[in-house]
Amino acid sequence: EAGVTQFPSHSVIEKGQTVTLRCDPISGHDNLYWYRRVMGKEIKFLLHFVKESKQDESGMPNNRFLAERTGGTYSTLKVQPAELEDSGVYFCASSKGQAPEAFFGQGTRLTVV
Amino acid sequence: GDSVTQMEGPVTLSEEAFLTINCTYTATGYPSLFWYVQYPGEGLQLLLKATKADDKGSNKGFEATYRKETTSFHLEKGSVQVSDSAVYFCALRTRSGTYKYIFGTGTRLKVLA
Repeated sequence: EAGVTQFPSHSVIEKGQTVTLRCDPISGHDNLYWYRRVMGKEIKFLLHFVKESKQDESGMPNNRFLAERTGGTYSTLKVQPAELEDSGVYFCASSKGQAPEAFFGQGTRLTVV
Repeated sequence: GDSVTQMEGPVTLSEEAFLTINCTYTATGYPSLFWYVQYPGEGLQLLLKATKADDKGSNKGFEATYRKETTSFHLEKGSVQVSDSAVYFCALRTRSGTYKYIFGTGTRLKVLA
């Protein structure tokens, strides 16, 4: 069974540009989470989808970030326009129903220059 | 709000030394507790979990016991190997609301041969 897959693995963009990150969860997992780790600090929650609905987006830093999960399968996280402080590693995770453990992807390392 | 506090790193040990990484939490109710590990160049992997008080999670020689009275979930291993060098994250999953995961800052472990 394939794990959580994230694309791209690395992205370097200039300040002001747009970047879209993609996450493919484990098949059948209705919960999908986005997290971010900035500058070696803690891994911070961004948002949580249950199927295609946003269950909790309290961690989204501002309106430059837009997450979607059309059809309840893969998800995208768009940053527009990117700022220097958006640099970090973006993790996606998925879990099934009420199961306690979440499975994480490899992460996307975003560098804004 | 809910939070996780884990010991600052880096931790440097010789091979076969005993490892303890401290983790304490603050949460409403009784969360599920986890240790995740990130090996160099890889994503986050679930190392072990405990879902209720006094549960002991174990995997690959690592152990952690859910201590409700001290709100702790310390990670231990009796004899570390060079291959255990990684960043270790303590995390909790809330049992109410949106079931999001909250992480500590991570502890980098370096094991020397």
